[in-house]
Amino acid sequence: EVQLVESGGDLVQPGGSLRLSCAASGFSFSSYWMHWVRQAPGKGLVWLSRINSDGSSTYYADSVKGRFTISRDNAKNTLYLHMNSLRAEDTAVYYCARVNVWHCGGDCYNDYWGQGTLVTVSS
Amino acid sequence: EIVLTQSPGTLSLSPGERATLSCRASQSVSSSFLAWYQQNPGQAPRLLIYDASSRATGIPDRFSGSGSGTDFTLTITRLEPEDFAIYHCQQYGNTPWTFGQGTKVEIK
Repeated sequence: EVQLVESGGDLVQPGGSLRLSCAASGFSFSSYWMHWVRQAPGKGLVWLSRINSDGSSTYYADSVKGRFTISRDNAKNTLYLHMNSLRAEDTAVYYCARVNVWHCGGDCYNDYWGQGTLVTVSS
Repeated sequence: EIVLTQSPGTLSLSPGERATLSCRASQSVSSSFLAWYQQNPGQAPRLLIYDASSRATGIPDRFSGSGSGTDFTLTITRLEPEDFAIYHCQQYGNTPWTFGQGTKVEIK
């Protein structure tokens, strides 16, 4: 069974940093691209970042470019999101999601999602 | 970036009724690379439809997707109690990937 479990969410002050983790199991993690997506309270989903299977290629939404860094450790089956210079508007539930790269041959839809981890940025 | 606009914002229906949800794109979605997700409160999104009209594994056939270009539709033929949720569309044909703002299907 495919499982994605996020962790690391916390209350952090504006300007602070946080690292989110996403532990993957039930599939060959190193074969899949991964996304981070967030959802502010009562709002819609917003795509943040993508990483390819070996971590050599990354892509970011303009809203987080230069502040957030996506990375992965395939030996540990874990995806990360390093977040710096956090702002109040970064308050959201953060989801990791698997990209069904095998269907599209590249960028594709998200076939599995984690349950999310809550990040609150407030003084 | 492609902006997706979902309508209506909220749909109030009774169990057994038909639901029709719209997702309109600001420009043509490449290869009909459009997906629909269902989300219940406090839960993760679940993939329903991909490539505009293909049902994901395990999704009941009362869910169907249609459309191409800039206009897409999710139809639920007979609403079951578990179908009352929020539905999101997503385009994955162009970067950055974008989502609509969601349509809430609530019990009337």
